[in-house]
Amino acid sequence: QSALTQPASVSGSPGQSIAISCTGTSSDVGGYNYVSWYQQHPGRAPKLMIYDVSNRPSGVSNRFSGSKSGNTASLTISGLQTEDEADYYCCSFSSSSTYVFGTGTKVTVL
Amino acid sequence: EVQLEESGGGLVQPGGSLRLSCAASGFTFRSYWMSWVRQAPGKGLEWVANIKPDGSEKNYVDSLKGRFTISRDNGKNSLYLQMSSLRAEDTAVYYCARCAVAVTGVAVAGGDWGPGTLVTVSS
Repeated sequence: QSALTQPASVSGSPGQSIAISCTGTSSDVGGYNYVSWYQQHPGRAPKLMIYDVSNRPSGVSNRFSGSKSGNTASLTISGLQTEDEADYYCCSFSSSSTYVFGTGTKVTVL
Repeated sequence: EVQLEESGGGLVQPGGSLRLSCAASGFTFRSYWMSWVRQAPGKGLEWVANIKPDGSEKNYVDSLKGRFTISRDNGKNSLYLQMSSLRAEDTAVYYCARCAVAVTGVAVAGGDWGPGTLVTVSS
């Protein structure tokens, strides 16, 4: 149950697209299509942005998209906006019916 | 509207115990998996445990097995986390979450979250 690996930080200018990677193993990311992504602003609870690799909950902007290849999942934010500046965490279902979160990525809008 | 409200956090001495509660409203509590997730100050999210709707199945992160116990009371629409033998490294904000995506009901680690309750383990 080691944390999934994410880059510590990613930055981009308004309007640009950025991608955040999330690397696990065949026991979590690679073994199940149950990867989700969470956005967290300082002092706030996490918010679900993507579930089951690439699905968006109702109300989440279509600027957010997800994908997966092998043991690595990715979150792409297109048309970057200032309000996208936050921490982002991936999460995967894992063996033994547990979940594991990623290490987290701080997104900075330049 | 789904509402989750944690309570029971506070300052506890190392080796002590604490029980967190989460009051749920706005949905049929007895129909959903529920979970606890924690976040140490300045650190990332850590999944702690989840529990089946009827309480018959509970899963824990390996590192906390034996010290933490998740439970629920469907009659009171409440989720609990009993924590014992607390250590400084258990200091964190503890969130309760409903394990379903709103509208679709698809299973997920956390579809709706409470604001969290802070537990501080210190002498």
